[in-house]
Amino acid sequence: GAVVSQHPSWVICKSGTSVKIECRSLDFQATTMFWYRQFPKQSLMLMATSNEGSKATYEQGVEKDKFLINHASLTLSTLTVTSAHPEDSSFYICSARDAGGPIYEQYFGPGTRLTVT
Amino acid sequence: GESVGLHLPTLSVQEGDNSIINCAYSNSASDYFIWYKQESGKGPQFIIDIRSNMDKRQGQRVTVLLNKTVKHLSLQIAATQPGDSAVYFCAENDDYKLSFGAGTTVTVRA
Repeated sequence: GAVVSQHPSWVICKSGTSVKIECRSLDFQATTMFWYRQFPKQSLMLMATSNEGSKATYEQGVEKDKFLINHASLTLSTLTVTSAHPEDSSFYICSARDAGGPIYEQYFGPGTRLTVT
Repeated sequence: GESVGLHLPTLSVQEGDNSIINCAYSNSASDYFIWYKQESGKGPQFIIDIRSNMDKRQGQRVTVLLNKTVKHLSLQIAATQPGDSAVYFCAENDDYKLSFGAGTTVTVRA
């Protein structure tokens, strides 16, 4: 149980275009999902907290207009990287909190590798 | 700001030996800690967690120790196997969000 999927697993896009990444909780409902970014050989950095039915909460230094988050259902959150540039190339990982489970627990997706050329 | 960090970036261990991975945290108010394993190109995988009211917790081949006095966390892996090769992160609860440490790369020698 507690499986989180991401789609796509990898994507290559041209500079200036937008890319959407999906995060789904497959067997549980998630009122809260989290989006992380991980650069090579670095740790996970929280970008934003995605709340079902309300606006996302962004961490300091993360541009909300560039990284659009939509959490329209209890099983899906999307991250759209708008006007992507090479410096946005990274590993994007989402996690989800089971609405009926312990508040501390997060279940992680497999990640999406974004390469902007 | 306060964050979780790791003492050593890399650890090389002989197969069959025990591994010890360390983590220092700076937020004395943290009440929950987790160890994750991340293999190349994959998302983090939960290993074991511990609450601040405990000083030791054991799982299958893994033990987490928490020393609140010196704000230190460690993960012990018994009889390390080749499949244990990965990057290990400690994370702490920070207002119901997770703050990750820098990570330790563990390489198991055959």
